[in-house]
Amino acid sequence: SAVISQKPSRDICQRGTSLTIQCQVDSQVTMMFWYRQQPGQSLTLIATANQGSEATYESGFVIDKFPISRPNLTFSTLTVSNMSPEDSSIYLCSVSGRYSGNTIYFGEGSWLTVV
Amino acid sequence: DAKTTQPTSMDCAEGRAANLPCNHSTISGNEYVYWYRQIHSQGPQYIIHGLKNNETNEMASLIITEDRKSSTLILPHATLRDTAVYYCIVRGQTTDSWGKLQFGAGTQVVVTP
Repeated sequence: SAVISQKPSRDICQRGTSLTIQCQVDSQVTMMFWYRQQPGQSLTLIATANQGSEATYESGFVIDKFPISRPNLTFSTLTVSNMSPEDSSIYLCSVSGRYSGNTIYFGEGSWLTVV
Repeated sequence: DAKTTQPTSMDCAEGRAANLPCNHSTISGNEYVYWYRQIHSQGPQYIIHGLKNNETNEMASLIITEDRKSSTLILPHATLRDTAVYYCIVRGQTTDSWGKLQFGAGTQVVVTP
């Protein structure tokens, strides 16, 4: 499987601020996704990051709150905007592509705490 | 995508086989069964997947019933490091759905000495 690196791995943020999470893959991948896992909950898909075009968001998630970029086949960013304590979660990047037989693999996550 | 039903939790003795059941009675013919696990505060780890035949890899075996309405993940010799939440997921193969994994609550497996 590819190596998926996320930065930051952990951060404490002030409410009202924004934070950008980076996801870097060591192979070219077809698809990249962003998930959120709130404390004690399961994972929820936020959006599919599309290369060169706007991300496709799931119900309940909007671009103004979670802007996503994907400038190439190995990199994506997720911004959590105007954070509140309810945004305290683990944010996970996941990828799939031909290299993986289309199996989806996950990064280690970025654990954000909003105070 | 079809929904899955798993037990909330189960215990397993170290060194014994752990058999994790999953019901997916509404699975359609082109949907795969995937298993992931998540060790506390880490990203989910892919374990195995299958369509209708039984599958085995270095981590586990996957047994899918003939009618495909249920499956069992088998960890042949559980170790303490296998303590994790295990997710059974049915994954669609249409352009719209094949990239999305719909996570349920999973099964919390605790391996005890």
